[in-house]
Amino acid sequence: SQQGEEDPQALSIQEGENATMNCSYKTSINNLQWYRQNSGRGLVHLILIRSNEREKHSGRLRVTLDTSKKSSSLLITASRAADTASYFCATAYSGAGSYQLTFGKGTKLSVIP
Amino acid sequence: DSGVTQTPKHLITATGQRVTLRCSPRSGDLSVYWYQQSLDQGLQFLIQYYNGEERAKGNILERFSAQQFPDLHSELNLSSLELGDSALYFCASSVSAETYNSPLHFGNGTRLTVT
Repeated sequence: SQQGEEDPQALSIQEGENATMNCSYKTSINNLQWYRQNSGRGLVHLILIRSNEREKHSGRLRVTLDTSKKSSSLLITASRAADTASYFCATAYSGAGSYQLTFGKGTKLSVIP
Repeated sequence: DSGVTQTPKHLITATGQRVTLRCSPRSGDLSVYWYQQSLDQGLQFLIQYYNGEERAKGNILERFSAQQFPDLHSELNLSSLELGDSALYFCASSVSAETYNSPLHFGNGTRLTVT
């Protein structure tokens, strides 16, 4: 079963606007990662935020983590048409004696030129 | 380009058949992971190998098996295929044995269609 759940499932915005996607998870985590997937392609790692971090930036991306609420958000500022993709959060959980990344079902972002 | 190579890109086969998917990890990565992505189930972790040894198992069916060879490439074998096995199969690699320490690098997947 999915550990993380993204919200909303789909998001459509105009180019230049900001896009915010949220992720909620159920159990304690070591870190949380965000990935992007262009249609029919492999996932690309965006950011890893550790459980003792509250915020992290990478270019136009800003990720926050609230461990008390078991949630994270990904903000993409000044969006571009090329940002159109699905965005997944992934958390590491302990299963079969090893930590494995589990992915949510993703938020599908459409940026309209 | 992630550096992870998966072949073939597309595979169409009939129910009951067996197929082999191949993955070459990024240079220097010792861990290989297999994931299945379908519309209804999302991205499901199947199995991980680290330096030739099975490291962790996820939701992998008994009809499926995998191995990692001494040159670190990996193969995922799917047998007695059913219509529900149609999906995108991704291979990913990482340096570390533990996924919480480092990001995964994904290949572009093999799209399997079972008819």
